[in-house]
Amino acid sequence: DGGITQSPKYLFRKEGQNVTLSCEQNLNHDAMYWYRQDPGQGLRLIYYSQIVNDFQKGDIAEGYSVSREKKESFPLTVTSAQKNPTAFYLCASSIGSSSGAQETQYFGPGTRLLVL
Amino acid sequence: RKEVEQDPGPFNVPEGATVAFNCTYSNSASQSFFWYRQDCRKEPKLLMSVYSSGNEDGRFTAQLNRASQYISLLIRDSKLSDSATYLCAGPNQAGTALIFGKGTTLSVSS
Repeated sequence: DGGITQSPKYLFRKEGQNVTLSCEQNLNHDAMYWYRQDPGQGLRLIYYSQIVNDFQKGDIAEGYSVSREKKESFPLTVTSAQKNPTAFYLCASSIGSSSGAQETQYFGPGTRLLVL
Repeated sequence: RKEVEQDPGPFNVPEGATVAFNCTYSNSASQSFFWYRQDCRKEPKLLMSVYSSGNEDGRFTAQLNRASQYISLLIRDSKLSDSATYLCAGPNQAGTALIFGKGTTLSVSS
């Protein structure tokens, strides 16, 4: 079964703690994305990567970091600098091309992050 | 002007009704757009892509109006199962990622 997996489904963060959200895909997609969704809001782009070992900031990158060491994996770290991290985090991927925005993005099931 | 902006919801309609949502975009160079459906506490799933003039799939029709820079989604003969939030998406100004609208909530009642 091809698809995108995210883990964990729920994650609790203590004040001052860094946490890492996992995103793996076996679709052989080059491009991967992280979005954040707050209640009643749309998706806001955090970071994206169009190829291995390269990534770009999205609209709300402050307080987050990513890595793209493998094609299949694009983990997101929510650092202690992110003061309001409670949200639904969605990872997506697309085939990947020079104009990645023209392609369909497929989403993983998401991770809900809550601050204790 | 925001890059992608949707009609505010919620839309409350009876079964069998026809309902239409609009979504405006600011990047005039954009060539493709997408409608996603999102159920409560779930991830968005692709409903339809919109290239050139439009697309139709059963009860669903998506259209693109380049002159006025908006896309629309028409749902005919609404079913209870159509109740969800519908998100439109289009390229950001740099053309490097998708930008999503805030979503329009549809509630179909019997």
